[in-house]
Amino acid sequence: DTEVTQTPKHLVMGMTNKKSLKCEQHMGHRAMYWYKQKAKKPPELMFVYSYEKLSINESVPSRFSPECPNSSLLNLHLHALQPEDSALYLCASSQEGLEAEQFFGPGTRLTVL
Amino acid sequence: RKEVEQDPGPFNVPEGATVAFNCTYSNSASQSFFWYRQDCRKEPKLLMSVYSSGNEDGRFTAQLNRASQYISLLIRDSKLSDSATYLCVVNVGTDKLIFGTGTRLQVFP
Repeated sequence: DTEVTQTPKHLVMGMTNKKSLKCEQHMGHRAMYWYKQKAKKPPELMFVYSYEKLSINESVPSRFSPECPNSSLLNLHLHALQPEDSALYLCASSQEGLEAEQFFGPGTRLTVL
Repeated sequence: RKEVEQDPGPFNVPEGATVAFNCTYSNSASQSFFWYRQDCRKEPKLLMSVYSSGNEDGRFTAQLNRASQYISLLIRDSKLSDSATYLCVVNVGTDKLIFGTGTRLQVFP
């Protein structure tokens, strides 16, 4: 199974809402990632979890809060977002760290009104 | 100079053509190199890792030139389904992964 799953596929939220994005992988990978991608731009790394511990936070605003409940799951909690946060949010996983091949989920397309 | 640079294209080629993309990187300490393809409004999918000795997977060949700090991707016998954006990805150390801005390929009948 080389699949990374993400829910929901689409999300529309207001600036005062609280929502969560979910990601799951069953490949036994030890590293998981959150990326943000705007149209016609490459993915931007947000967070890296390695062995369930946050190892990299790319200076992401605190309105984005990651959580890794176990080695297969990764969440991204959203609160008080801005319209400019509208983007495709991609989850990925890899066997080890950034030096390894990454497998991406299909993404959650987020719109902030 | 950008850390990873790609020609944005688009490269418009007929079916059956051979097309090559280059990607240059600035950090000589770069360790791992990858090519991903991304279809419109979809996630990136790993196409191939790039090894020092070069590697081939069917119609696709990847090369690494450490002396000149670039990687390349060659696609032979292009298919319509090869139309996509090709992302060059470079890893530096344990805490840095850099995506190129992508090269768009359009294969026409």
